[in-house]
Amino acid sequence: DGGITQSPKYLFRKEGQNVTLSCEQNLNHDAMYWYRQDPGQGLRLIYYSQIVNDFQKGDIAEGYSVSREKKESFPLTVTSAQKNPTAFYLCASSMRPLRSGNTIYFGEGSWLTVV
Amino acid sequence: GENVEQHPSTLSVQEGDSAVIKCTYSDSASNYFPWYKQELGKRPQLIIDIRSNVGEKKDQRIAVTLNKTAKHFSLHITETQPEDSAVYFCAEDPEAAGNKLTFGGGTRVLVKP
Repeated sequence: DGGITQSPKYLFRKEGQNVTLSCEQNLNHDAMYWYRQDPGQGLRLIYYSQIVNDFQKGDIAEGYSVSREKKESFPLTVTSAQKNPTAFYLCASSMRPLRSGNTIYFGEGSWLTVV
Repeated sequence: GENVEQHPSTLSVQEGDSAVIKCTYSDSASNYFPWYKQELGKRPQLIIDIRSNVGEKKDQRIAVTLNKTAKHFSLHITETQPEDSAVYFCAEDPEAAGNKLTFGGGTRVLVKP
């Protein structure tokens, strides 16, 4: 778990601004993920990447963008097109395929608030 | 499509009693079912998982059962303690989805001393 680092932990965004959340892992995991969690709610998948230079949209990709130029890094940009970005953002990683003993591990999360 | 329903959304139990959370899924191809525990303001952490070729798995006070025919799986916590208070999420990895997890809505468990 300690091998996934998210920054910043707290971020404030003004209306119309793009902001980027950083996620780095040193676990040598192939796959990386971004989930969004709203207060009292479950986790919804934004984007995921199974290999370098490839990524797929999750269930709520609109207003977000990602890149996967390096195996250890998967930054998430929250664009101005995301109208309700205030949430807790969780980055995660895993080996492939998912199975017992080979699951998804989460970073500490980043709190994003629109001001 | 992929969908995981989790019940109940909140669960209050007396310390020492058992807690049971149930999830149902729709994709018959699903083959991996983890459970995560999330304390307030922290990241979810895996507590137990099960694959589709196993009907039950136990780790100390927690156990998970899987019924593939009925497409549901359950988390059982016995002899609950105050530190078990948290939000618990079930998840599934549909075999066709490409190594991603779909999560249930979560169950807030409160263990009263």
